[in-house]
Amino acid sequence: GAGVSQSPSNKVTEKGKDVELRCDPISGHTALYWYRQSLGQGLEFLIYFQGNSAPDKSGLPSDRFSAERTGGSVSTLTIQRTQQEDSAVYLCASSRGASGMFDEQFFGPGTRLTVL
Amino acid sequence: AQSVTQLDSHVSVSEGTPVLLRCNYSSSYSPSLFWYVQHPNKGLQLLLKYTSAATLVKGINGFEAEFKKSETSFHLTKPSAHMSDAAEYFCVVSDPSGFQKLVFGTGTRLLVSP
Repeated sequence: GAGVSQSPSNKVTEKGKDVELRCDPISGHTALYWYRQSLGQGLEFLIYFQGNSAPDKSGLPSDRFSAERTGGSVSTLTIQRTQQEDSAVYLCASSRGASGMFDEQFFGPGTRLTVL
Repeated sequence: AQSVTQLDSHVSVSEGTPVLLRCNYSSSYSPSLFWYVQHPNKGLQLLLKYTSAATLVKGINGFEAEFKKSETSFHLTKPSAHMSDAAEYFCVVSDPSGFQKLVFGTGTRLLVSP
């Protein structure tokens, strides 16, 4: 079946502009995650959604970052007033949402964001 | 806090020779550890996982890893490299609050030459 999809694949923006990144999880997956992969660094956890529960936002680096998940499916990550240090690959993942046991996360191909 | 250290940013091997990608972890709890692989222009894929069962874990494509608590290591190995193994490999530990938060290492790029 279809995997996790993300759009756009590449985004170039000017410093100070807002951007929206989209993630379509695997159908039926109740958990959704956003990560950031900066040059020379590992992936950094940003935010986690599970069903109708309040999201875990503990990884968001500043209040310029926000995310929402509409209807328990598609998610949008918004970065306001972008800065050059926001340049990175933003990865989305989804999982079945099983609790108390290993719940494999399936990753999308990512959105490469470049802030000029 | 949990963390993983990947000791090599790049590893180069010849096709048909063994692969060793090193990872050391730091955890206050019994960790769950994973290796993910990222091929160019493709999403991350789970290679194998250790979740406190057998210490020698077998994964896809002939890879395996051994959990050594005394050495706090979880090195990834493969007896014979194939050209298609060229990719970036990430050692990952999960947050003790659950498997949801994954803490990634900085990655090791595996280069395979003919």
